[in-house]
This record gives sequence, C-alpha cells and structure tokens, in this order.
Amino acid sequence: DAKTTQPPSMDCAEGRAANLPCNHSTISGNEYVYWYRQIHSQGPQYIIHGLKNNETNEMASLIITEDRKSSTLILPHATLRDTAVYYCIALEYGNKLVFGAGTILRVKS
Amino acid sequence: DAGITQSPRHKVTETGTPVTLRCHQTENHRYMYWYRQDPGHGLRLIHYSYGVKDTDKGEVSDGYSVSRSKTEDFLLTLESATSSQTSVYFCAISDPSYRYTFGSGTRLTVV
Repeated sequence: DAKTTQPPSMDCAEGRAANLPCNHSTISGNEYVYWYRQIHSQGPQYIIHGLKNNETNEMASLIITEDRKSSTLILPHATLRDTAVYYCIALEYGNKLVFGAGTILRVKS
Repeated sequence: DAGITQSPRHKVTETGTPVTLRCHQTENHRYMYWYRQDPGHGLRLIHYSYGVKDTDKGEVSDGYSVSRSKTEDFLLTLESATSSQTSVYFCAISDPSYRYTFGSGTRLTVV
C-alpha cells in the first residue's frame, strides 16, 4: 500500500475546525484513504474512509483532492476529547492495516 | 469497543512462561488481527486470521503463535515470554469494508 506523510503534530483551538492534512502521492487507483485516531491508552478508532469522493459522517469529513495525491480530515468543531494521534492510511481492500507515526492533534481551550 | 473484548486487560508474567491472550468478537466477522504497540515503533501486526483455522504471519510474528478454532475467538500465545515482548497488545476485527474495530488492549509485562 502507498506510503502516507503527515505532520508530526498540530494544535487547534477548542470549538474551531481541525484540518489534518495527509499526502499520499503514490496512491493507486484501488487504494482507499482511511483515517483512524488513537486516544491515549485506548485502541485505535475508525473515523472515516473514502476512495475518490468527499465523505462525511457524524465524526468528520474527508476531502480528497481530484488527483488523489492528498487528503484532509476535518473535525468541524474540535473538543478537548478530540486530542489524539490521527493516522492516515492508504489501504487496498484485502490488505492489512499498517500504521505510521500519525499526527498528534492537541486541542486547547 | 462494542463487539470485541480482550482478556486479560493486564498481566504480569515471568520470563520463560507461556502466556495466552484472548480476543472475543460478537460481530461474526471473518478477519481478526493481533497488533502490538511499543513506544517508538507504533502499532505493528503480529498475526491475523481470515477464517476458522486460517491464519497468517504479520510483520513481527517471531515468538508468537495464534489459533482460531471458532469464528468468535482468536488466541495469541507467547510460547516462552521474553522481556522484549513486554508491550500493549491490541486485537482487531474488520468488516467487509475493512473498517477495523480494536479492542481495549492487554498490557503485558514480562519480568
């Protein structure tokens, strides 16, 4: 699966939108973009995934560029409970989830 | 998370002893996984299963074995625990869209 690149850390003010970027310039046509997060000491939690189109669910929105070389996860109104490590992963169905270092998001009051 | 439980949650064991961790799911999913998480290494896949009695190795399988005799249970065994296997172990299941659900983890300390 394609390698992804994320910034090591980001800060966000409580109540503001958190926009987490991810680069995946070598992504193939069969690879989906998945986002997970891990809150301290807990197991990773699925957030959202998509192939080409933008996606939205109750947790977040996923914006994928037209060339699919990058994406942005948007948490529309970040709260302190959104402080976590966020992982962007390119995955083809049938392959195994491989985690990188992720982005540490700190939401501050 | 709902649908997947790990036991025990914490365990301290001595070097050289066998240890078995259990993962139980109620979702009837085909795929199950064992990961370990260590500082500086992140989450790494140990073994996975794609059905009853069907298992395969992951990235860091040395020193570990697994078994899956029922759809709902996936066991991870450390045949002879070593200090390097001190870690947090996570079990996961995935649905047909490969959305993974992780358990709460087992913190294992080998002394």
